[in-house]
Amino acid sequence: SQQGEEDPQALSIQEGENATMNCSYKTSINNLQWYRQNSGRGLVHLILIRSNEREKHSGRLRVTLDTSKKSSSLLITASRAADTASYFCATDAGNTGGFKTIFGAGTRLFVKA
Amino acid sequence: GAGVSQSPSNKVTEKGKDVELRCDPISGHTALYWYRQSLGQGLEFLIYFQGNSAPDKSGLPSDRFSAERTGGSVSTLTIQRTQQEDSAVYLCASSQEWRGGRETQYFGPGTRLLVL
Repeated sequence: SQQGEEDPQALSIQEGENATMNCSYKTSINNLQWYRQNSGRGLVHLILIRSNEREKHSGRLRVTLDTSKKSSSLLITASRAADTASYFCATDAGNTGGFKTIFGAGTRLFVKA
Repeated sequence: GAGVSQSPSNKVTEKGKDVELRCDPISGHTALYWYRQSLGQGLEFLIYFQGNSAPDKSGLPSDRFSAERTGGSVSTLTIQRTQQEDSAVYLCASSQEWRGGRETQYFGPGTRLLVL
């Protein structure tokens, strides 16, 4: 299975609610990133958190990282219909994994207006 | 400025034929990545180029897959003797340089490949 595993696989919420997505990984990492994908096309980078950071904010996004549990969460506050997309976490392969970026299977978020 | 571009946008081919997919990275980006995404799945790493260094080919699924990067810029992913399981969206990304996972990758729109 892939390094990054997101859950839930799919999430449906009402506009204005918060959406929380989780990501778990298996090996040690240097950094973890979250990306967004609309309509199965190119991904857009959202936020990066380093292994020595525990929390990071960017606008309505809040990311946490727990390296002891090898997990991260992405919180989108006050969701909007335009937030409907798939969200992926991505990790490097650690100090011995070479140049790979490893993406999880993604969480499909649907925000109902 | 221009982002990452890929061509063609869509490709339909018959089983057994060869296909070439092209990626034009952002000018000045030395790192280039190819990924494959099957329907409803995450991204599967295929290959990574960094400047003039030997590429990381560890993600290529079989010897039918190969990629080149000419002049440190444009890259071509070639799939020989295509199989139906090769049907997927092939995404290319570039970044300024590899920074141990800190780099932001900029993605192209992808090429949707359908093998009949």
